[in-house]
Amino acid sequence: GAGVSQTPSNKVTEKGKYVELRCDPISGHTALYWYRQSLGQGPEFLIYFQGTGAADDSGLPNDRFFAVRPEGSVSTLKIQRTERGDSAVYLCASSGTLADTEAFFGQGTRLTVV
Amino acid sequence: GDSVTQMEGPVTLSEEAFLTINCTYTATGYPSLFWYVQYPGEGLQLLLKATKADDKGSNKGFEATYRKETTSFHLEKGSVQVSDSAVYFCALSDLRSGGGADGLTFGKGTHLIIQP
Repeated sequence: GAGVSQTPSNKVTEKGKYVELRCDPISGHTALYWYRQSLGQGPEFLIYFQGTGAADDSGLPNDRFFAVRPEGSVSTLKIQRTERGDSAVYLCASSGTLADTEAFFGQGTRLTVV
Repeated sequence: GDSVTQMEGPVTLSEEAFLTINCTYTATGYPSLFWYVQYPGEGLQLLLKATKADDKGSNKGFEATYRKETTSFHLEKGSVQVSDSAVYFCALSDLRSGGGADGLTFGKGTHLIIQP
């Protein structure tokens, strides 16, 4: 597609459940980023992929959060044992090269943990 | 650690008014600075950027100058339009990580409302 696509757009889950959030980057983009935006806050960095490998995962808050990008294109953010505090909009972005300072963001997945 | 502080919103202006949204930052290195914009129902978009001191970023009539001495990157526009209504985020990228959108630190965002 023309832009970064994130699915689902909305996800409601019960506390303790497992969720997966999907990101389809712009075709050919090698860099992919996940951010989390809580209500009234700016986006917070979670993890960055260059190709298939996680180049920087310093923003993941704890070991319940994990992300993969097995073929260097689509990425999945996985959250285990969800907590109410995980409720936020999860944003994905992609860019063309390491030196590319313009990243294109998707519209996000709104996760609500009840 | 790195941080970005921007003025609280909402900011409400009349069409054709002059706009300033203040942004100051704290960083250990020599960051790149960005303004992102989020229009209603859309994803974040890069509005402009500056990568070194005294650089001026500009786009769509908006400007911001990287001021190292005051650690600021204020966003300005001479005459705003209703279509500029959006949420604006100031952000920095620590170049230790190579740039891109890796490890961007964002401010909380400023909601701008332009009335006709």
